[in-house]
Amino acid sequence: GQQLNQSPQSMFIQEGEDVSMNCTSSSIFNTWLWYKQDPGEGPVLLIALYKAGELTSNGRLTAQFGITRKDSFLNISASIPSDVGIYFCAGLEGAQKLVFGQGTRLTINP
Amino acid sequence: DSGVTQTPKHLITATGQRVTLRCSPRSGDLSVYWYQQSLDQGLQFLIQYYNGEERAKGNILERFSAQQFPDLHSELNLSSLELGDSALYFCASSKGRGGADTQYFGPGTRLTVL
Repeated sequence: GQQLNQSPQSMFIQEGEDVSMNCTSSSIFNTWLWYKQDPGEGPVLLIALYKAGELTSNGRLTAQFGITRKDSFLNISASIPSDVGIYFCAGLEGAQKLVFGQGTRLTINP
Repeated sequence: DSGVTQTPKHLITATGQRVTLRCSPRSGDLSVYWYQQSLDQGLQFLIQYYNGEERAKGNILERFSAQQFPDLHSELNLSSLELGDSALYFCASSKGRGGADTQYFGPGTRLTVL
């Protein structure tokens, strides 16, 4: 199956800093999704992207669907303590199957 | 709270045993998906059911099987368990057949095989 390369694997930042993470694929996806997972919980959808070049915001979060359809990035501005968690990108393979990146673990120092 | 419920929350069992994980989708959702999350493999799609019928299959082992019942709840059966089956198992649900439908994840079942 397809693989998604997500980077960085982990980030240690100060509260208030901006964060950027990205995902790349060797194959094309028609939908990119970004999820956040808190400890002991299931992933929660943050942003969904459906068109190449699309730039979508959700509060302090902004994500873009790369024009090649092989990559996507997620930015978080002015990070706060509740942003701590693991962020996953996912691409929709075919009609139903979600392929996930390995995740970016975000740690924030107050 | 996503509206997806999973039971049990934790399960500890021995190698060679069989267990059943249960999932209730959000009200009105017809699709149920099962995922396995392990440290070395990350989140892997296992299988999807839509309105009682299998719709898509991922990296699901032959020792694993699932079904979706008329009331739309789903069960994932894991048999001849091995140490490597220890993982978090998530269920997700969506309204339609899949595609761009938003999938809502449950809190997961943590399986430990000793």
